[in-house]
This record gives sequence, C-alpha cells and structure tokens, in this order.
Amino acid sequence: DQQVKQNSPSLSVQEGRISILNCDYTNSMFDYFLWYKKYPAEGPTFLISISSIKDKNEDGRFTVFLNKSAKHLSLHIVPSQPGDSAVYFCAAITTGGADGLTFGKGTHLIIQP
Amino acid sequence: KAGVTQTPRYLIKTRGQQVTLSCSPISGHRSVSWYQQTPGQGLQFLFEYFSETQRNKGNFPGRFSGRQFSNSRSEMNVSTLELGDSALYLCASSSQGLDTQYFGPGTRLTVL
Repeated sequence: DQQVKQNSPSLSVQEGRISILNCDYTNSMFDYFLWYKKYPAEGPTFLISISSIKDKNEDGRFTVFLNKSAKHLSLHIVPSQPGDSAVYFCAAITTGGADGLTFGKGTHLIIQP
Repeated sequence: KAGVTQTPRYLIKTRGQQVTLSCSPISGHRSVSWYQQTPGQGLQFLFEYFSETQRNKGNFPGRFSGRQFSNSRSEMNVSTLELGDSALYLCASSSQGLDTQYFGPGTRLTVL
C-alpha cells in the first residue's frame, strides 16, 4: 500500500508560469515532509521541507504548502524556469521513527519554452 | 563541503555473485542511509547506520547487509545476486538522523 502518492506522473508548464506539484499521504504518523528534485543519472537533490507544525514554508521560488487535515502537500514553483525540468519526489518521515524516508513515485515536470 | 560520493558508479554482475558498494558521507555527517530505486517500486529504504551501528532497517531480505566504519564511510553488500536486484542504489547522509538527507549520485547495478 502506497503511503505517499504523487498521482500525476508528468506535468507540462510554460516557462514563467507557476508549476504546482501535488502529493497525498495516508500515514498520519508522518510529521516531516520533503521535496527532492532528480535529474537523470544523478541522485535526488534536496529542495525544501516542512514540519507538520507549519502549513507553509518558502525558499526563493519554491513554496511548500501542507494541509494536514487533507493529508495533502503541494510544491509551488514561481516562476518556472527551463532548469526546473526534472523529476520531483515527495517524501515523508516520522521523526524518531525507524522507517527512513517514504517516497512517492515522482512527477516528471517539463517546462516548455 | 564535498557532497556524498559513491563508488563504483556502474557495476555489472551475474546471478549468484555478491557485490559491495561504497559510500562516503558529507564531512561531519554521522548517519548514512541506503535506498534502492527501481522503475516499479520507486525509492525504497534499505537501512540506516549511525556511529557504526545499524539503527533502522527496511523490509529487505537478509542478503542485503551493510556496515559503517569509524570515519562514517559505509558499505553495502548484496549476496547471491538475483536479476531483480538490478537497480540504482543510493546512499544518503545526514547529520543526525532520518530527516533531511543528502543523496549521492548512486551506483547503477545490473545483474545478468
């Protein structure tokens, strides 16, 4: 049973517009959430994270929103740039737990010029 | 600071063989975790080492093992390789535990 789901395998967005990547989770014990970006033949690169005590965290062009009641988080990228084209993974963890990061299957973001 | 490094980057083995992968964490990081990435299952947690002790373990058979040295470098061993072990093996390090982890480039293992 997938505990972290990214329902859109791919997303195409025009350069300069907003990219919104979504992620849902089922395990209510998760209390820390992360987004990673991955280029082919490279390991995932940490992008931004959010603790369950917050509902928003912002870092430059990247903002993560957390809706605990809906068990939903989203990553907003504004404005989208060609270098943002990559696979984005949502990950979740129970801090102090024993299971490591649980990842979604990823969303391939394509920024169109 | 140098990032997480993994060696080798690519490896080809045959069924039944064993393999050892190496990971050097970011300087000062004491936690090293290993993940397996396959097209069907995505990224899955194998285990975590902290101060030379396995602290957490995912749901993988005993053929997958690891160790950590006093300098925090870690090795992962897979014995009696199966075709299904073909995957990208990623190592990640963090300063304390299983929160914000920084990944290496991975080792691409192909089992023939």
